[in-house]
Amino acid sequence: QSALTQPASVSGSPGQSITMSCTGTSNDVGGYNYVSWYQQHLGKAPKLMIYDVSKRPSGVSNRFSGSKSGNTASLTISGLQAEDEADYYCSSYTSSSTYVFGTGTKVTVL
Amino acid sequence: EVQLVESGGGLVQPGGSLRLSCAASGFTFNYYAMSWVRQAPGKGLEWVSAISGSGGSTNYADSVKGRFTVSRDKSKNTLYLQMNGLRAADTAVYYCARQPFGSGTHDYWGPGTPVTVSS
Repeated sequence: QSALTQPASVSGSPGQSITMSCTGTSNDVGGYNYVSWYQQHLGKAPKLMIYDVSKRPSGVSNRFSGSKSGNTASLTISGLQAEDEADYYCSSYTSSSTYVFGTGTKVTVL
Repeated sequence: EVQLVESGGGLVQPGGSLRLSCAASGFTFNYYAMSWVRQAPGKGLEWVSAISGSGGSTNYADSVKGRFTVSRDKSKNTLYLQMNGLRAADTAVYYCARQPFGSGTHDYWGPGTPVTVSS
């Protein structure tokens, strides 16, 4: 199972909106509404930000939103803040009853 | 409060074995499937294995199939990962994570335990 493809880096200024993509296949992203997004600060455990494509866990800011079209999912962060600087990973359930993660995107707040 | 705490990591020689544990609290352990996810130094996340709430169903990544075994003890609220035939490529921080029923996600994660495979 190959990792889902994410851009290596995305950057934006405070207050701006940024969007990152997560591309898979019909056997994972395109086949199930089980795409999740995780935020990971350096040296810390991942934190769930979006699940089931577009749902937000309790306590996660509504500045984070998710969507999906075909084999590509997207995470948008609006009103970018300094604390959003971190690595972001997408994940999907697969047709093999396993999970696959993305290659990761480093978000930089300029 | 949901808590997951991994233990058992350390330094092991190539070909050696190690058993990781994940102590769970704050929720009904046997109601939830659980996963192990690892992260090699400076690299991304890699799903390793999962086990159903009952323990009757397990799955593994191809990279560890036949070498790693996941299990759980509901009397101790603990998840395990038995790792045999360890290789340098298995060097990583290992996280346990909870899978909510009916959702293909991992909602709570432990802080991780580091495993180093080196001679």
